Amino acid sequence: GQNIDQPTEMTATEGAIVQINCTYQTSGFNGLFWYQQHAGEAPTFLSYNVLDGLEEKGRFSSFLSRSKGYSYLLLKELQMKDSASYLCAFTDSNYQLIWGAGTKLIIKP
Amino acid sequence: IAGITQAPTSQILAAGRRMTLRCTQDMRHNAMYWYRQDLGLGLRLIHYSNTAGTTGKGEVPDGYSVSRANTDDFPLTLASAVPSQTSVYFCASSGDSQTDTQYFGPGTRLTVL
Repeated sequence: GQNIDQPTEMTATEGAIVQINCTYQTSGFNGLFWYQQHAGEAPTFLSYNVLDGLEEKGRFSSFLSRSKGYSYLLLKELQMKDSASYLCAFTDSNYQLIWGAGTKLIIKP
Repeated sequence: IAGITQAPTSQILAAGRRMTLRCTQDMRHNAMYWYRQDLGLGLRLIHYSNTAGTTGKGEVPDGYSVSRANTDDFPLTLASAVPSQTSVYFCASSGDSQTDTQYFGPGTRLTVL
């Protein structure tokens, strides 16, 4: 079978750094996405990893280890507007996205 | 502005009624998708279409049907709504069905009583 897991909720302080982890199990893998979703809004694309390593994009970075079935999203210099849910999803052997339940990130002043 | 639109924004529906959720994109994307999002669960794929004229079943297709008569439109129909279909429904599209990024519409909040 296949599954994907991420923490339900995390809290961090404005200006700090937070790492949101995502683990997955699947027999077929074609890449991993991270999306941001503010409350009451649609998910929006943040990053895509298909090879092992770190992809940096401004304050956000995403890491992938295919051998470990593990990814993380790193958010630096946290701002209040980063309060949102962060969704990880992998593309399976049929090229369909399998989604985690999302991590709700709460930023405190 | 290019993107995906969904209608209605929200709807309250009596059980047993038929309902069609509309989705239109103007990005000329080949692939389109319908998801439902429920509290505590990840997005779950209902139906998808890799290109106009073709459709496929996702993880939770029962009680739903779709059509893809042209590139831009991908309506989702609930033939006879049940309370368990209360959810937020998102339509999405991508350039193709492979590894292209999916772009989401604003969602439809549906309540079935």
